[in-house]
Parts: sequence; structure tokens; C-alpha cells
Amino acid sequence: AQRVTQPEKLLSVFKGAPVELKCNYSYSGSPELFWYVQYSRQRLQLLLRHISRESIKGFTADLNKGETSFHLKKPFAQEEDSAMYYCALSGRSNYQLIWGAGTKLIIKP
Amino acid sequence: EAQVTQNPRYLITVTGKKLTVTCSQNMNHEYMSWYRQDPGLGLRQIYYSMNVEVTDKGDVPEGYKVSRKEKRNFPLILESPSPNQTSLYFCASSLAGSYNEQFFGPGTRLTVL
Repeated sequence: AQRVTQPEKLLSVFKGAPVELKCNYSYSGSPELFWYVQYSRQRLQLLLRHISRESIKGFTADLNKGETSFHLKKPFAQEEDSAMYYCALSGRSNYQLIWGAGTKLIIKP
Repeated sequence: EAQVTQNPRYLITVTGKKLTVTCSQNMNHEYMSWYRQDPGLGLRQIYYSMNVEVTDKGDVPEGYKVSRKEKRNFPLILESPSPNQTSLYFCASSLAGSYNEQFFGPGTRLTVL
């Protein structure tokens, strides 16, 4: 079955500390993986996707097919990173998006 | 401004009273979808549409209907709402599919009493 798991509902770190939000997936084919973010009072929006291999707002995510993971990382957290983060998966041959339950990231000053 | 709009933003209704939540996008996107967001469960896809007159069920379609008569509109219909449909609903659109960037509406908070 297709599944996306974000094991942490809440992650709290100090400003300047490294951040890692975990995402594990279960999918039999070749998935497209995404991180979406929802800042307070803003719409859900795309942060990054694995195929683009970009660093957005200092965040990176590497697809590890062996561990079926797509963890989101940032070396030095900033207060404006506080938000809700969702990992999502799409199969290339279908039109469904499967979402994780989300991780609320709080950056303490 | 390119965006996805939803109406109403907030709705309180009673069990069994039919309602429609509208969704419209002005980006000429082919793909549109509806999600519900519940605490601890993340987003779950209700229905999606690949193009006009083409719709398909997501993970939680029971109790919902959709239609796609025009490219820009994708209304969500609850013909007989029940309390377990109390949730936050999001509409989203993308250029051509679930593997493209999704653009989200602001959300509709629905309470069914």
C-alpha cells in the first residue's frame, strides 16, 4: 500500500540549530516526492521536490531509495521556519497524492 | 493574480442539509483536487479531476460528489452531510497532474451539527 509516514507530530529546536524533519514512504514504483509547507495564516505551498534537487530557503531533501526516506534538512534553523510541514508522494503513473500527517516545526529564539 | 479561490470560507450546517463548496482557479490548470484535513491525519484526497468531465475517487470519497463541467471550476457537493464530515477542506490545482506543483485554496472550515 502507498503510505507516507512523518513520525514526529511536533519538533522544537533552537534558532541556529540543525533541523531534520523525517519522512518515510512506502511505494512499489518510482515516486515523486514533495515537501509542502504551511506558514501561519498562509496557504499550503510547495517547498521543494526531489526531482528539482534545489535548495529552497536553505532546506534540502535527499531521496534515499534504499531507506525509502525523503528527510528535510536545514543546517541552521531560523525563526521564520516555524510552520507545518507535509511530505507528499505521487506515483508517476497515477494522479493521486498521498500525504503524511505533517510535522509542526517550532523554532525557539 | 493567479490563484485558487474557495467559497464559503466558513460554514456551519445541520445534518442532512445539502451543501456545495465552490472552487475556482484562473491558471488554466487541467488538474484539480479536493482534500480534507483532520488533526493527526494530514491531508486526505477526496476526489480529483484530470480535465473537464474527467473525475476520479481519491482515498475518502464516501459522502461526497464532484463535477467538472468547466476547466476553472470544481465544486464539492455534500448531498447529505453528517457530523463526521466536519473538517477543513482544501481545493488545489496544478498544471497537469499530481506530480506537478499543487496550488492551494485558502480552505473551507465546515462544521456539521
